Amino acid sequence: KAGVTQTPRYLIKTRGQQVTLSCSPISGHRSVSWYQQTPGQGLQFLFEYFSETQRNKGNFPGRFSGRQFSNSRSEMNVSTLELGDSALYLCASSTGTGVREQYFGPGTRLTVT
Amino acid sequence: DQQVKQNSPSLSVQEGRISILNCDYTNSMFDYFLWYKKYPAEGPTFLISISSIKDKNEDGRFTVFLNKSAKHLSLHIVPSQPGDSAVYFCAASVTGGYQKVTFGTGTKLQVIP
Repeated sequence: KAGVTQTPRYLIKTRGQQVTLSCSPISGHRSVSWYQQTPGQGLQFLFEYFSETQRNKGNFPGRFSGRQFSNSRSEMNVSTLELGDSALYLCASSTGTGVREQYFGPGTRLTVT
Repeated sequence: DQQVKQNSPSLSVQEGRISILNCDYTNSMFDYFLWYKKYPAEGPTFLISISSIKDKNEDGRFTVFLNKSAKHLSLHIVPSQPGDSAVYFCAASVTGGYQKVTFGTGTKLQVIP
């Protein structure tokens, strides 16, 4: 089975711009979660989508949003970028039912200048 | 509020010896715990998990211990190998919370040959 893929792998944006990140989960997985990783903060949960519905949300401002498509692929959008949004954004997929182990993609490194 | 804490940012161990990584949590609702390993430029990979109904789970060289009264868990790696050098994340979740997983800040393990 192919693993979780994320595009793009690297991104440089300017403060105030917006960005969209993409995640393709493992085939058959219906749950996609997004995390932000910054030095010293570990992985911070952004949100989880299951069958096109947001099922869980972390404590991030409304500038962070996401969606999931019928084929389980997910996108995450950040509007009005701030310098503090520079981070590694990780996507994880799972079956979404019962099992709680997740499979992570390699991440998208976002740099905001 | 960091509900899952890994107080040691780094740990160095000689090859062949035991590595012990520690994790504390504050939320008594957590009932499922996981450890992930992360190499540079890759996403985290699932290592081992434990349910709160158990106090120990073993998988090859990896053993996780859970002390519910102390709200503490630990990961033991015996014997440690150079390939184990990575960042280890402790994570916790609540049954019914679906895939909302709270991660610690990570411990960087270096196994010295």
